[in-house]
Order: sequence, then structure tokens, then C-alpha cells
Amino acid sequence: GAVVSQHPSRVICKSGTSVKIECRSLDFQATTMFWYRQFPKQSLMLMATSNEGSKATYEQGVEKDKFLINHASLTLSTLTVTSAHPEDSSFYICSAREVEAFFGQGTRLTVV
Amino acid sequence: QKEVEQDPGPLSVPEGAIVSLNCTYSNSAFQYFMWYRQYSRKGPELLMYTYSSGNKEDGRFTAQVDKSSKYISLFIRDSQPSDSATYLCAMAGDMRFGAGTRLTVKP
Repeated sequence: GAVVSQHPSRVICKSGTSVKIECRSLDFQATTMFWYRQFPKQSLMLMATSNEGSKATYEQGVEKDKFLINHASLTLSTLTVTSAHPEDSSFYICSAREVEAFFGQGTRLTVV
Repeated sequence: QKEVEQDPGPLSVPEGAIVSLNCTYSNSAFQYFMWYRQYSRKGPELLMYTYSSGNKEDGRFTAQVDKSSKYISLFIRDSQPSDSATYLCAMAGDMRFGAGTRLTVKP
């Protein structure tokens, strides 16, 4: 299947700092990218959907000023967790879609 | 009502068993359906992608779609311990997932 690269795979940051997570589609152009959050033993919670060149559409309850999403090209989307707090610690996963959707390997964020 | 409903299990079967995983959905506008497998602490891996009603087979995996009942299934034949994972169904379009079913195949 197609390859979606997500970096970093793990990050530990101090409370109050910002963290940027990158999601790249390596061998296809992703017209749409999705960002998810996943808590232990729970399913994927869709946070936002972004189309290249457009503003992201956020799910209800997701703070768009806290979780900044940029989808500047057909192969790259970024999620920035601003002013991170311990409750933002989670597993964040991106997905990129041209026709089928493929996932990155996820980023485990720990805010201390 | 959630748009996608999936029994979270857990489901435990002996090696070699046939596994049946199911999802129901509420939005009849959904046209494309996908099954993913997720190992612990990894991103989901696309297993099957189907469009029309009926069956689609890929090796030991068969995906079945019944649009009239808004019901999709994934069958795993000759299940192996390496199939132990969480299986997620998703409807293309909005890419929301069911709860995921945790499967354990015991040797």
C-alpha cells in the first residue's frame, strides 16, 4: 500500500510549549488529510479534516486555536499542539487520502 | 445514534477458527467501506476497501457489504496468532471509525 510518513514517532515536551507533528504522503498526492487522537484501548477520534489549500474542518469539541492544522501541499500536513498541557498527552495519528486512506505510524506525545 | 457501530469485543478464538467482525452504519449515503487492522501503538493498516454490495476476497480475508441492511462484515479464515489486533471499520467520506474490535487468536 501507499506510504504515509509521520514524524516524530515520540515526543516529550514541557507544559506550555508547542509541538509540531508532520504527516507526509510519500508516493501519492493526498487531496485530504485527517488527524486523529487515540487514548489507550480506545478507538480513533477524528479531530479534523483538511483539504489542500483550505482551512481545516474541526470536529465538535476540538479547539482549533489549540490544534493548528496546516495542509499547504498535496503531500504535507502538520498538526501543531500549542501551549501543550499534560492532558494533551495522547497518541496522534494522521491519515492521507487520494482514493483509499492510509495512515501514518502515529506520534506519542507526552507533556510533562 | 452513532454513525458507525462496532462491537468492541474483546473476541478470543482458537487458531484456525473463522472470525466474523461486523459493523453497522446509519448514513445510507456512505458508498465506500474500509477495514483496518491496528496493532498496539501503531498506525492502522488498510486491509480491505470495498464499494459495492457483495463480497470481496483477498487471501484469508473476505469483506462483505450489505447496503440494504447497512451492515458490513470482515471474515478471517484460518485465523493465526499474528491476526491478533484491533480491527476497525470506517466509512469513506468522513473517515469516522467504529469502536474497533479487539481480536485475540490463541495458539
